[in-house]
Amino acid sequence: EVQLVQSGAEVKKPGESLRISCKGSGYSFSSFWIIWVRQMPGKGLEWMGRISPSDSYTKYSPSFQGHVTISADKSINTAYLQWSSLKASDTAMYYCARRLNSGRFDPWGQGTLVTVSS
Amino acid sequence: QSVLTQPPSASGTPGQRVTISCSGSSSNIGSNTVNWYRQLPGTAPKLLIYSNDQRPSGVPDRFSGSKSGTSASLAISGLQSEDEADYYCAAWDDSLSGLVFGGGTQLTVL
Repeated sequence: EVQLVQSGAEVKKPGESLRISCKGSGYSFSSFWIIWVRQMPGKGLEWMGRISPSDSYTKYSPSFQGHVTISADKSINTAYLQWSSLKASDTAMYYCARRLNSGRFDPWGQGTLVTVSS
Repeated sequence: QSVLTQPPSASGTPGQRVTISCSGSSSNIGSNTVNWYRQLPGTAPKLLIYSNDQRPSGVPDRFSGSKSGTSASLAISGLQSEDEADYYCAAWDDSLSGLVFGGGTQLTVL
């Protein structure tokens, strides 16, 4: 079964750093882009950026460029999303998803809830 | 402000047919295929329609998609209570070189 499993919920304070993960299984992880998507409470989906695990080439949405870092370790089939200094406005659910060659995204991870509060 | 425009809400009674529209531009829907995702409350989005009008295995044929020019639509026939969810359209945007979403449509089954 093809699946993406994300790391668990996090509660952090403003200014702290964080890295969340997305582990793929059941397919050739290096062969497909992984994207990250933000969903703020009660809001819609926002594309943050994508990575090609084979060469770690990344592309960020202008809205997130410089605020987050996307990386991947193909040796352990895992992609990451990290912050160096969290803000309260980073409180959201974060999803990873695999891009198939047809341009569709499937499957999606189960989501990681990040709460930033003092 | 989402790049793709969807109505924020839609509704219908059981058995009815409802449609959800998605409007974009030449750099996204006009030049790339449209995918639709369904998000049930408290769960991750799931692929519902891909390549404008294709259904993944397991998706009932009550769900159908279409695209014309810079607009797309999702139709749900034989509406059921379990269809209550948020529906999002998405397409690759060549100008952004990234994925753009609609703002989502909350479907209510009355």
